[in-house]
Amino acid sequence: DSGVTQTPKHLITATGQRVTLRCSPRSGDLSVYWYQQSLDQGLQFLIQYYNGEERAKGNILERFSAQQFPDLHSELNLSSLELGDSALYFCASSGLWLGGELFFGEGSRLTVL
Amino acid sequence: KNEVEQSPQNLTAQEGEFITINCSYSVGISALHWLQQHPGGGIVSLFMLSSGKKKHGRLIATINIQEKHSSLHITASHPRDSAVYICAGYLQGAQKLVFGQGTRLTINP
Repeated sequence: DSGVTQTPKHLITATGQRVTLRCSPRSGDLSVYWYQQSLDQGLQFLIQYYNGEERAKGNILERFSAQQFPDLHSELNLSSLELGDSALYFCASSGLWLGGELFFGEGSRLTVL
Repeated sequence: KNEVEQSPQNLTAQEGEFITINCSYSVGISALHWLQQHPGGGIVSLFMLSSGKKKHGRLIATINIQEKHSSLHITASHPRDSAVYICAGYLQGAQKLVFGQGTRLTINP
């Protein structure tokens, strides 16, 4: 058990819809990272938050947004969903502002029909 | 060219064999992570290293900074080691992890 909790584990929705994925980091970790894993693209970094502030941005689409709340949990919002957004979305946390060992959640599997 | 390249893509071996997975990375990567992803999908961080060698149980990770190369070794492999192993490099400038395509390891009893 990594100590990182992601919900929901599975989500099935339709094109055009909006979903929110939630992540609770390991106790004491201030950094939260979001990653997308699709069959054709592999794992890709989306975005990082550190103590509530956006820290680094990767290949995150404009239809996607994220935030980290004062209690350090984070949410990833995916809107105007397309078939290609179907993927595993992972959250990871770290105790460091930059780099450091990562602890991954079990992922949220999103299927867009 | 990807910043992180892994080989082989697929590896099948018999229980007990010594396993080596290789990872080459580009300039700008300051640390290497080795991750394990089981069929259920969850990812476990095995090692993070920026120099030398680390060992945990039957797993050993090494890195050669001059050659920009890292290896993950598994001694006395077991069917429960069957998983996808992913090498990821921390790209200092972009401050993000970039991932290899993964090596699917199957250990037969």
